[in-house]
Amino acid sequence: EAQVTQNPRYLITVTGKKLTVTCSQNMNHEYMSWYRQDPGLGLRQIYYSMNVEVTDKGDVPEGYKVSRKEKRNFPLILESPSPNQTSLYFCASSLYQGVETQYFGPGTRLLVL
Amino acid sequence: LAKTTQPISMDSYEGQEVNITCSHNNIATNDYITWYQQFPSQGPRFIIQGYKTKVTNEVASLFIPADRKSSTLSLPRVSLSDTAVYYCLVGENTGRRALTFGSGTRLQVQP
Repeated sequence: EAQVTQNPRYLITVTGKKLTVTCSQNMNHEYMSWYRQDPGLGLRQIYYSMNVEVTDKGDVPEGYKVSRKEKRNFPLILESPSPNQTSLYFCASSLYQGVETQYFGPGTRLLVL
Repeated sequence: LAKTTQPISMDSYEGQEVNITCSHNNIATNDYITWYQQFPSQGPRFIIQGYKTKVTNEVASLFIPADRKSSTLSLPRVSLSDTAVYYCLVGENTGRRALTFGSGTRLQVQP
């Protein structure tokens, strides 16, 4: 089944404790990206990647890191999480780039205490 | 990326046709218009995409006037399961720019 998977789905952590949210797609998509969703703010793009080893900042990249060493994986790294990073995170992928149909993962709900 | 403006919320009843309009005055020549649907605690799901005139699929229709400064998503005969947030997105299919979803339109369908 074609899908985007994220892990973990739920995470509670404390300020400053490094964490990684994994994202994997099995559709051989070139384009992958991370979004965060907060009440009243819609979806905001954090980082995106147009191919392996090619990443770029989205609208809200501060406090986040990403890497794209393999085509299928695009982990999101929070080196030193803070409470303002409490949010719902979605990973997405698409065959090509831009607004071409994007397939979203199920989401990761993060709470930083 | 062209900024989009949509109504914050809309209400409808089962069986009615719902039209959600998105304004994108600064749309660029290479930009496409894409609509997504999102249910609570789920990732957005692609509904439809178009460049000009009219596009129809099994779920919805998309109407785009000649000046392309707005677009209208039409949902025929909505049901309770169409209650969701609908996002209008405008941008190139080349990925040169980061994508931004607006706040979307929250559609509430009543029985």
